[in-house]
Amino acid sequence: ETGVTQSPTHLIKTRGQQVTLRCSSQSGHNTVSWYQQALGQGPQFIFQYYREEENGRGNFPPRFSGLQFPNYSSELNVNALELDDSALYLCASSFSPLGDSPLHFGNGTRLTVT
Amino acid sequence: EDQVTQSPEALRLQEGESSSLNCSYTVSGLRGLFWYRQDPGKGPEFLFTLYSAGEEKEKERLKATLTKKESFLHITAPKPEDSATYLCAVPAGNQFYFGTGTSLTVIP
Repeated sequence: ETGVTQSPTHLIKTRGQQVTLRCSSQSGHNTVSWYQQALGQGPQFIFQYYREEENGRGNFPPRFSGLQFPNYSSELNVNALELDDSALYLCASSFSPLGDSPLHFGNGTRLTVT
Repeated sequence: EDQVTQSPEALRLQEGESSSLNCSYTVSGLRGLFWYRQDPGKGPEFLFTLYSAGEEKEKERLKATLTKKESFLHITAPKPEDSATYLCAVPAGNQFYFGTGTSLTVIP
């Protein structure tokens, strides 16, 4: 069973730039969610993708966008980066979009915005 | 507003010294409470799901319990390898609300 993999592991960007983070979901999982985790905080929900469509969004602005592909892999795009976007970005896959099955996380992408 | 609160924020234990971590929640219509372990630089690793008050789950030195308003993660005779941040989460709609975690350090 292949787990959730994320790339890259680390990234340094300048304020105002754009970034794309990638995620391959665990085999058998059809739902991908993205979370942002600031230092010392719990993960915060960005959005969920199910059947290649956004299926719920947390309190994040539209400059955070995503995609899900037919093989259930996913991308997170962030435009016009701000210093506060520096965080660990976690991708999680699950069997169901309904919140009734556990999330399986990748090891994240550490984004630093300078 | 749905909320999850964990305490204490940090806990230092001697090896073999048992203790408990707390997770309280205010989400209505609980559809499960999830515990995760997170090691530094890693993503959270799923431990347990509890669905109803009175339910208990065990895994090695960890035992999770659930009441109508909170969950406890009991750690019995911990070892240094149990050092990690423990997170709890509850689903609301299709998203999960996470607590800020308890950072556990077990000293040999």
